[in-house]
Amino acid sequence: DPKIIQKPKYLVAVTGSEKILICEQYLGHNAMYWYRQSAKKPLEFMFSYSYQKLMDNQTASSRFQPQSSKKNHLDLQITALKPDDSATYFCASSQDDWGQDTQYFGPGTRLLVL
Amino acid sequence: GDQVEQSPSALSLHEGTDSALRCNFTTTMRSVQWFRQNSRGSLISLFYLASGTKENGRLKSAFDSKERRYSTLHIRDAQLEDSGTYFCAAEAYTGGADRLTFGKGTQLIIQP
Repeated sequence: DPKIIQKPKYLVAVTGSEKILICEQYLGHNAMYWYRQSAKKPLEFMFSYSYQKLMDNQTASSRFQPQSSKKNHLDLQITALKPDDSATYFCASSQDDWGQDTQYFGPGTRLLVL
Repeated sequence: GDQVEQSPSALSLHEGTDSALRCNFTTTMRSVQWFRQNSRGSLISLFYLASGTKENGRLKSAFDSKERRYSTLHIRDAQLEDSGTYFCAAEAYTGGADRLTFGKGTQLIIQP
């Protein structure tokens, strides 16, 4: 059974619209993350959460907003979508956010903005 | 500049051969993690190292414990299923303790 679930697997959106990417982990972890992989850049860190609190934000744009309704959920809301937002978005989790801990990645959501 | 530099960027090998991938860091790192990304795009964790070496089957990884400025991944007796893109990712001592900085990857192709 998959331990980190991301939904949807593929997503096509029009410029200017808003989408929510879903992530749930069943590893019992306390820390969750979002990363992005695009054709132009290597995998890059976006956010980290620990016990549902934002710990680190490396995303310059406020159009990206994580939402954590439960400890094992970390969704990503993206507003005013742009073609440059096209990428695969990976959710990850680790036991805690102290560092020195393996991060496990979900299968990703591939977003295409037209 | 890039904090994590991977080499080579691409590598083509025949089955049964050995290879070594390398990551250099422009600053001292706390830990390193190695991943393989398969053809479906999934990122599979291979190793997490805070120091020393780890081995799993035909894979072995090392993290320079003195300077903490490089890590290697050795693949022994390469098999077709080893094909994929290999990423190293490191945690720095400064900034977010759990923030992984990724290299650009090594695309590995194993040929029969």
